[in-house]
Amino acid sequence: GAVVSQHPSWVICKSGTSVKIECRSLDFQATTMFWYRQFPKQSLMLMATSNEGSKATYEQGVEKDKFLINHASLTLSTLTVTSAHPEDSSFYICSAQYRDRGGEQYFGPGTRLTVT
Amino acid sequence: GQNIDQPTEMTATEGAIVQINCTYQTSGFNGLFWYQQHAGEAPTFLSYNVLDGLEEKGRFSSFLSRSKGYSYLLLKELQMKDSASYLCAVFPPGAGNKLTFGGGTRVLVKP
Repeated sequence: GAVVSQHPSWVICKSGTSVKIECRSLDFQATTMFWYRQFPKQSLMLMATSNEGSKATYEQGVEKDKFLINHASLTLSTLTVTSAHPEDSSFYICSAQYRDRGGEQYFGPGTRLTVT
Repeated sequence: GQNIDQPTEMTATEGAIVQINCTYQTSGFNGLFWYQQHAGEAPTFLSYNVLDGLEEKGRFSSFLSRSKGYSYLLLKELQMKDSASYLCAVFPPGAGNKLTFGGGTRVLVKP
């Protein structure tokens, strides 16, 4: 298998609060995990690349102080959306690169965030 | 630079075959992925081609020609549940393992 889980699958929060999203590779070790955001009917947008034990690399235009990423182990990465605003409402998806299968990458089921 | 092209939309009939083409022009190449994404859901892995040739997995097959910068995903015996977007993604070297995605091809299967 190559299963990636995300928690929570959906969350509603109030403007100004912070939300943490977890991404776990359940049956494999992931050298690298990626965080994407996707708005309705649009393509996936890569936000950042996360490697275990090191700082995340953010894509241009993504605020690192707003989207905090921690990659605590080879099976867990977290994304914290700090001081969320309604415009942060989106579908957040992580993917994990399977360490022992070359470049193969598998996506989690996504987390739908709604900020009111 | 990276450039990946695939058709925006395709329509086919249940039981038929559909071929989704993907051409790429990237600075280097480490492999090509195909993912399926249903509306409102995350992408699911279909295939990963590194070498030239055809790889078959049940009703789905993926082909790669590195010299031509070309791949296709072949869906056979189409079912209604195959209606989804199909994403072609290239894995270029030196990009920190990041994937470069095409815009996706929305396939609509009609009865």
